[in-house]
Amino acid sequence: EAGVAQSPRYKIIEKRQSVAFWCNPISGHATLYWYQQILGQGPKLLIQFQNNGVVDDSQLPKDRFSAERLKGVDSTLKIQPAKLEDSAVYLCASSDYRAKNTEAFFGQGTRLTVV
Amino acid sequence: AQRVTQPEKLLSVFKGAPVELKCNYSYSGSPELFWYVQYSRQRLQLLLRHISRESIKGFTADLNKGETSFHLKKPFAQEEDSAMYYCADGSSNTGKLIFGQGTTLQVKP
Repeated sequence: EAGVAQSPRYKIIEKRQSVAFWCNPISGHATLYWYQQILGQGPKLLIQFQNNGVVDDSQLPKDRFSAERLKGVDSTLKIQPAKLEDSAVYLCASSDYRAKNTEAFFGQGTRLTVV
Repeated sequence: AQRVTQPEKLLSVFKGAPVELKCNYSYSGSPELFWYVQYSRQRLQLLLRHISRESIKGFTADLNKGETSFHLKKPFAQEEDSAMYYCADGSSNTGKLIFGQGTTLQVKP
């Protein structure tokens, strides 16, 4: 089966600019996650969708980050304006239902560098 | 708050040596724990989950509730095991994963 697709793979922007990442989950997966992975740390959940509704966005810096999942399929994550500390790999993952012990499938990630 | 601790950032062993990657969790109930692995230039992928009680690529992990640990073990390391390993807690009702900071396993020839 096709995996989770993310684009772009790499992005370099100046601070205060805006940027958007796109994710296409595995077909049929109702749950979609965006994780932020700063260098030397484990992934940290930013936002979780179940279909097109938000389940958990407690760690999302809402003053600058926003995310949407149109029609319960693709998702975009936006940062506006970006700060230097936003430099990280942004991982999208999906799973087939919201339950424990479900495997999450990850995309290749988007590496963001803010200069 | 739930927390996962992997005390070693780097573990370096020789081929054929035993490996143990440490993981401790803080969840007080019945935890749902996973090990994910990221090989060089590949995406993060599931290695094993504790509920399955299976051995994958020779790796096993036993849940020890008394010590709140879920250490990953392999009796004889292979060079292809070199990768980044993350322990994750999926105990949240939403199914989200809380990751440790990861351990780089380096298996030398």
